[in-house]
Amino acid sequence: QPVLTQPPSSSASPGESARLTCTLPSDINVGSYNIYWYQQKPGSPPRYLLYYYSDSDKGQGSGVPSRFSGSKDASANTGILLISGLQSEDEADYYCMIWPSNAWVFGGGTKLTVL
Amino acid sequence: EVQLVESGGGLVQPGGSLRLSCAASGFTVSSNYMSWVRQAPGKGLEWVSVIYSGGSTYYADSVKGRFTISRHNSKNTLYLQMNSLRAEDTAVYYCARGAWDWGQGTLVTVSS
Repeated sequence: QPVLTQPPSSSASPGESARLTCTLPSDINVGSYNIYWYQQKPGSPPRYLLYYYSDSDKGQGSGVPSRFSGSKDASANTGILLISGLQSEDEADYYCMIWPSNAWVFGGGTKLTVL
Repeated sequence: EVQLVESGGGLVQPGGSLRLSCAASGFTVSSNYMSWVRQAPGKGLEWVSVIYSGGSTYYADSVKGRFTISRHNSKNTLYLQMNSLRAEDTAVYYCARGAWDWGQGTLVTVSS
């Protein structure tokens, strides 16, 4: 199974933007997959945020603010979660996921700290 | 409103068995693909198994041959039968509808 690489931690200040990355292994093309993003706060289950395939094929989770958005960087084979206008409540763990071959594969997660 | 409620977790000895249940409301289990995902204490998410609406099932290599996913259509409930449990199966187990809706999870602890 492929391994999705996420930085263990990231930080930003309230009002700023946070750019969280999810890098796919070189033998898997990010352009071929939906990238799913989840937010998890301590003691709570993961919350589905959005998926991103392309600008014309993407979806936002129910009730998820539009300041959460997805994109891809094909040159880096990476999926990106952009959180704009950071709020203290955005402090959480964030996981990416892809769905190849009848199995979900998760990244290791990024702990986002809002300073 | 979609709701998923897991139950059946607990403390079990290595080599033992447990059956987890996920009672669904607000949608029909058999019309959706349903998954189990687990999270070991302090660790990340790990996919365990999926059952499609057509009945096909798939498993992570780490549980293949030991776990069985199933559903009871009239009870609108998803199950995970876990046999030959190991210490490394200790985790919170979540059921999920598609990629979008998750239950609160149930804790399974495998220890002597």
